[in-house]
Amino acid sequence: EPEVTQTPSHQVTQMGQEVILRCVPISNHLYFYWYRQILGQKVEFLVSFYNNEISEKSEIFDDQFSVERPDGSNFTLKIRSTKLEDSAMYFCASSEHNDQPQHFGDGTRLSIL
Amino acid sequence: SQQGEEDPQALSIQEGENATMNCSYKTSINNLQWYRQNSGRGLVHLILIRSNEREKHSGRLRVTLDTSKKSSSLLITASRAADTASYFCATDARAAGNKLTFGGGTRVLVKP
Repeated sequence: EPEVTQTPSHQVTQMGQEVILRCVPISNHLYFYWYRQILGQKVEFLVSFYNNEISEKSEIFDDQFSVERPDGSNFTLKIRSTKLEDSAMYFCASSEHNDQPQHFGDGTRLSIL
Repeated sequence: SQQGEEDPQALSIQEGENATMNCSYKTSINNLQWYRQNSGRGLVHLILIRSNEREKHSGRLRVTLDTSKKSSSLLITASRAADTASYFCATDARAAGNKLTFGGGTRVLVKP
């Protein structure tokens, strides 16, 4: 069964450094998402992406965050200058259409030191 | 206000028993989805139920939706040790695009 893949599984970065989290969505899916889950808290929506542009973003997704679909298969989340509070599990998801199930990857655990 | 709150927060049952968990939400929804998360892993999609549907089945899973009460339930029948996980409901509303709003989850422990 096709799945969403995320790399790396764990990223350790010094505060203030830039980090790029990578995702390969399911190949025929058109809608892409990033969510995060801080340890012990709820999964929170960050951003949705369709037709090569952001369709919606949350208050968390400030100017330090950006997303990109650099080619036909990858979908990336960049955090320009990481803060301690960015430490979380980051999940990528994709769906075929906007009213279809969103399928999640296994996540990238981001640890900011 | 919180959208998508599960109840109970934790549930411990014996293998073979049924597990029922509930989800309440506050605003009108388009769809409601249930996900499973094993410790340290990603979210696995279980069932999507639309706002015009009342009940849906998938294998040992049964989901109900009551839009008048703004609540949903997930029933796992004949539970197995492998069902041990956290279960989350997630809602999306037309007014909010298709972003998912997650509840805090129910931690289910199935004892062999």
